[in-house]
Amino acid sequence: AQTVTQSQPEMSVQEAETVTLSCTYDTSESDYYLFWYKQPPSRQMILVIRQEAYKQQNATENRFSVNFQKAAKSFSLKISDSQLGDAAMYFCATPGSNYQLIWGAGTKLIIKP
Amino acid sequence: NAGVTQTPKFRILKIGQSMTLQCTQDMNHNYMYWYRQDPGMGLKLIYYSVGAGITDKGEVPNGYNVSRSTTEDFPLRLELAAPSQTSVYFCASSPGLPGQPQHFGDGTRLSIL
Repeated sequence: AQTVTQSQPEMSVQEAETVTLSCTYDTSESDYYLFWYKQPPSRQMILVIRQEAYKQQNATENRFSVNFQKAAKSFSLKISDSQLGDAAMYFCATPGSNYQLIWGAGTKLIIKP
Repeated sequence: NAGVTQTPKFRILKIGQSMTLQCTQDMNHNYMYWYRQDPGMGLKLIYYSVGAGITDKGEVPNGYNVSRSTTEDFPLRLELAAPSQTSVYFCASSPGLPGQPQHFGDGTRLSIL
């Protein structure tokens, strides 16, 4: 069965510093995508970034970037210049069959002013 | 820009009551999903649909039913509410193409007392 593991239940970072959230996964798919979603206190699920597994280049979206290690099945999210608005739950997800998403348990990110 | 719309946003039910959570999307997406999110956890798939008239069970389908009579609508029915169904419910949709993310509604917070 496909699994997604986020080993850090909670992380805290000083405003303007950099933080990395880890995610490991297990999949039998050969071609797949990986996603990071953000869930702020408003409860909305917001796509942060996605990575295509067949691309060696790590995805980047402004202050958000990933470190994708396909052989290790690792997909960490780096947030640079952390801002107060980055405080949220962050979920890693990988597709299962029929374009379902398999979700990690999440990491709560706290930004210290 | 409606996207995925869920109603109601909050509801309290008594044990044994029934209700339907409504979900509609205006993006002409073929795939739709229902998830539940328990406190401090990631999302678990209840049911999904790959098109009108086609539905299938996810990871935690017991106690729920769905239907998909149109592309736009994907209601979730709870027949005999139980305290274990207290959760936040999310509806999502996607085009069903590789790499395309799921778009989420704002969620329904349901309490069974």
